Amino acid sequence: DAKTTQPPSMDCAEGRAANLPCNHSTISGNEYVYWYRQIHSQGPQYIIHGLKNNETNEMASLIITEDRKSSTLILPHATLRDTAVYYCIVRVHRDDKIIFGKGTRLHILP
Amino acid sequence: DVKVTQSSRYLVKRTGEKVFLECVQDMDHENMFWYRQDPGLGLRLIYFSYDVKMKEKGDIPEGYSVSREKKERFSLILESASTNQTSMYLCASSIRTGITDTQYFGPGTRLTVL
Repeated sequence: DAKTTQPPSMDCAEGRAANLPCNHSTISGNEYVYWYRQIHSQGPQYIIHGLKNNETNEMASLIITEDRKSSTLILPHATLRDTAVYYCIVRVHRDDKIIFGKGTRLHILP
Repeated sequence: DVKVTQSSRYLVKRTGEKVFLECVQDMDHENMFWYRQDPGLGLRLIYFSYDVKMKEKGDIPEGYSVSREKKERFSLILESASTNQTSMYLCASSIRTGITDTQYFGPGTRLTVL
């Protein structure tokens, strides 16, 4: 079973920031938070991951709360191409299999 | 950028045929994985490999086999295709350093078995 909880769907206006929440209240101290997304009929695409500090790359920012029980993925300027299912995953070790839950279906509205 | 390629995007086969799905990665990654993705069931791990000629069963290996003769290539084989193997098949690779790794996925192969 997935160790994370995400809203099933969200809408965001094009050009605005999309903030996707994820709850992982049972996360342990050495588990990383990963985000992937999957555009229709394509393979999952890695976005970002972090342990406890906030992270930013060219695609997104990841904000992890101080108690690490939740996180938010931020797409700063959403475009129509960001329409996808976004998956939040927690994982401690490279030998752990990736468990994709149901994710959040993000709709970008023109 | 990491590139994982799969031999076909769409494939149609008949029941009983032997099917080969090929996956190639160009980043010298040690680890390679095969998943299938079905609506409502998410991604399920079929087989994975941590090195050439090594293979490990995942959660649903029945009806499948794999081959890893070269580091960059990981093949999934359906010995005798059946209709319940109609699915999206995803290959992934990752580098084996540190405590954790990031898996990079290919575009997927949508297999239909008639």
